[in-house]
Parts: sequence; C-alpha cells; structure tokens
Amino acid sequence: GENVEQHPSTLSVQEGDSAVIKCTYSDSASNYFPWYKQELGKRPQLIIDIRSNVGEKKDQRIAVTLNKTAKHFSLHITETQPEDSAVYFCAATHQGGKLIFGQGTELSVKP
Amino acid sequence: DSGVTQTPKHLITATGQRVTLRCSPRSGDLSVYWYQQSLDQGLQFLIQYYNGEERAKGNILERFSAQQFPDLHSELNLSSLELGDSALYFCASSVAGAGTEQFFGPGTRLTVL
Repeated sequence: GENVEQHPSTLSVQEGDSAVIKCTYSDSASNYFPWYKQELGKRPQLIIDIRSNVGEKKDQRIAVTLNKTAKHFSLHITETQPEDSAVYFCAATHQGGKLIFGQGTELSVKP
Repeated sequence: DSGVTQTPKHLITATGQRVTLRCSPRSGDLSVYWYQQSLDQGLQFLIQYYNGEERAKGNILERFSAQQFPDLHSELNLSSLELGDSALYFCASSVAGAGTEQFFGPGTRLTVL
C-alpha cells in the first residue's frame, strides 16, 4: 500500500549547522513531493515541493532532492536558525492529490 | 494566512454526540481535503472532494461523512463520537487534484470527553 517513511524522528543541531531529513515512499506512481513545516498547535505550512520530473530544487536556505529510482527524497536546511525549530513533514501524493505523510521530524536548533 | 478558513476553532463535546466541522477553501480552489492529526497517528488523509464530487477516500470511519457544496465549502460530520476521535482536524484546498499545492486551514481542535 501507500506508505512514507521519514527519518529521523528528532533532530537537534547547533545554530548555523545543516539539517537533513530523509523520506522513502512506497508507491512508484507518486509524482509530487511536498514538505511542510508545522509549529506547535498551528497548521502545516508548505515550505518547498518537488515534482517527479525534477531531481533537485532550491529556495534560499532550503533544498529538496529526489531519487526516483531509489524512491528517496530529502530536505536540506543550511545555516539553521532558532526559528527553524518545528516539526517537518514530508509527503507523497498520487491518485487525485491525497497526501500520504511521513511520521514527522522534530527539529530543534540550539542557539 | 493560507486563505483557507475553518470553523469552529475549538470544539468540546461528549461521547456519543455528533459534530459538524466546516471549511471554506481558498478562492478559486476546487479541491478540498480533510486530514486528521492525532498524537499517535500523525497526519492521516480522510477524504477529498473535487468540484462537489468525492474524489478519494482514506481510512475514514463509517461514523464520519463529508460533503462539498455548490459554493465549494465543505463540511465534515462526525457522529457517535468516541474518546479516540479527539484530534486536530485540518482542511486543505488546492486548485486541482494531483500535483498541485495544498494549503491548510488553521484546523479544528476536537476534544471528546
């Protein structure tokens, strides 16, 4: 069935360091991969996304890579700041657009 | 602000009761999605509507139902509530279906006592 595995579940980094979160999806027909940032009690906010015809996408300090063969995609945050602290979710979509989410990664950036 | 609105913000009710959650999508968006977020289950897809018609269904309980009206707003009905239904319920909308960005509303926090 459709499944997205996300690792690690928690990640603690020093301010200025890089953070990497990895996801694996099961449905080879998945063609759209968004990343969401969620602060406590708030709505998930789309921060970056990538489509299956692209291998990498960058937006300032955030980048996402996709390896369709291995069914892996990753989020890279460089020069982390305390305000990057939140829970990050990866997702894969197929069949009309429903999102299958990973379990989430709680990122903590220490000043 | 994503442009997606949800009401109410909080809902406290008792087991066995029925509640209705409401969602208004962003202007121009035809698709509405409902997700449930609980501590132990993460974000789970419930159901999707596109331009008034059901498009996809997730692991939605039979006690739950939804619809999308001609003005494109959507309602999620939860009945015979159980303690385990306590969760954050999010609505998201997108312009179309597959491969388009989904923008989430602020959510409705449901507490079943």
